[in-house]
Amino acid sequence: AQKITQTQPGMFVQEKEAVTLDCTYDTSDPSYGLFWYKQPSSGEMIFLIYQGSYDQQNATEGRYSLNFQKARKSANLVISASQLGDSAMYFCAMRDFGNEKLTFGTGTRLTIIP
Amino acid sequence: EAGVTQSPTHLIKTRGQQATLRCSPISGHTSVYWYQQALGLGLQFLLWYDEGEERNRGNFPPRFSGRQFPNYSSELNVNALELEDSALYLCASSLGDSVLGTDTQYFGPGTRLTVL
Repeated sequence: AQKITQTQPGMFVQEKEAVTLDCTYDTSDPSYGLFWYKQPSSGEMIFLIYQGSYDQQNATEGRYSLNFQKARKSANLVISASQLGDSAMYFCAMRDFGNEKLTFGTGTRLTIIP
Repeated sequence: EAGVTQSPTHLIKTRGQQATLRCSPISGHTSVYWYQQALGLGLQFLLWYDEGEERNRGNFPPRFSGRQFPNYSSELNVNALELEDSALYLCASSLGDSVLGTDTQYFGPGTRLTVL
């Protein structure tokens, strides 16, 4: 069975600093996808970044990058130059190929301090 | 391009009643997913519809049901509401092409259901 673990319930980071949100996963399937979503207080889940298990390079999307370490089964999200608008819940999720449901971690609440 | 839309934004019901939640996917997306986000329970997969068929369901009782219409919009029905059904219900859509492995699910703003 798939499992996603996010060990940081909450983080406080100074504005303009970089922040790393941890995510480890467990699956027996060699083919899978890893996702990060942002959930502001409004509730909508916003897709940030995707990493496939066979991707050779770490994914990047603007200020977001994914530090993918396959052997360690970790997929940490790195946000560079944090902004006040980055304050939100962040969820790591995974999907085995052929199984459409997403399995989510418990999330990390990130607060950016001015 | 319009994103996933959901209605209503908020819904208040009493125990035993039925609730109907609606979702319109992104244009061109054929797959629709429903998730429940209840306090203390995190995000749980409810249902997956593709091309009008129910493809998979999570570990929820049969009183949670739904359907997908020919225009790919979807409805989630919850019968015999219980207090613990109070949650944010999120709908997501995707292209439905998992063969490529990059089939990202895009979420709507959610419907907050409160059962009194």
